[in-house]
Amino acid sequence: KQEVTQIPAALSVPEGENLVLNCSFTDSAIYNLQWFRQDPGKGLTSLLLIQSSQREQTSGRLNASLDKSSGRSTLYIAASQPGDSATYLCAVSQGGSEKLVFGKGTKLTVNP
Amino acid sequence: GAVVSQHPSRVICKSGTSVKIECRSLDFQATTMFWYRQFPKQSLMLMATSNEGSKATYEQGVEKDKFLINHASLTLSTLTVTSAHPEDSSFYICSPRTHGRDGYTFGSGTRLTVV
Repeated sequence: KQEVTQIPAALSVPEGENLVLNCSFTDSAIYNLQWFRQDPGKGLTSLLLIQSSQREQTSGRLNASLDKSSGRSTLYIAASQPGDSATYLCAVSQGGSEKLVFGKGTKLTVNP
Repeated sequence: GAVVSQHPSRVICKSGTSVKIECRSLDFQATTMFWYRQFPKQSLMLMATSNEGSKATYEQGVEKDKFLINHASLTLSTLTVTSAHPEDSSFYICSPRTHGRDGYTFGSGTRLTVV
């Protein structure tokens, strides 16, 4: 059974700092990995999708890497801003079913 | 990208009553809809998968008679929590299968509180 773990559970940083969020998964036979952002009481915003054949994806200040063999992914946020404060979720899918297995998330607080 | 509208966003109901949550795909036809729930400080967990025109499939431990899923059209899937109890209080969110069209998309979620 696939399990996804995210470390740390919470992170507080000053504005402008670069930071890394970690995600690990137990079964390396994934189809893809997705990073989401979840704001309190709201749905999920898709950030970056990495296919199993890819090593990384970038969008603006965000960079996500994938090391499938070791079961790890990282989300790098450059020059963090208070607006980046949210919970960041990592999820993996297996096969082509598009069913996702989620981690518990990392709650990020960026202090002005 | 694929757009999904989920209603209501928040609902408070009394124990024993039923609550219906709707998810509509606005710009494409969703043959499959995934329903997830998230208990406080827990991860999102897949509850069930609805398929247009056929029975839904439920994940282990999810009571199919309690969580009724209807997917009668390609644009609408509903989840009804029947005889709700306080332990059903959770965040419910839907996600249509897009067949790789635009990655994953989700509804805005429904916060259910049963009192």
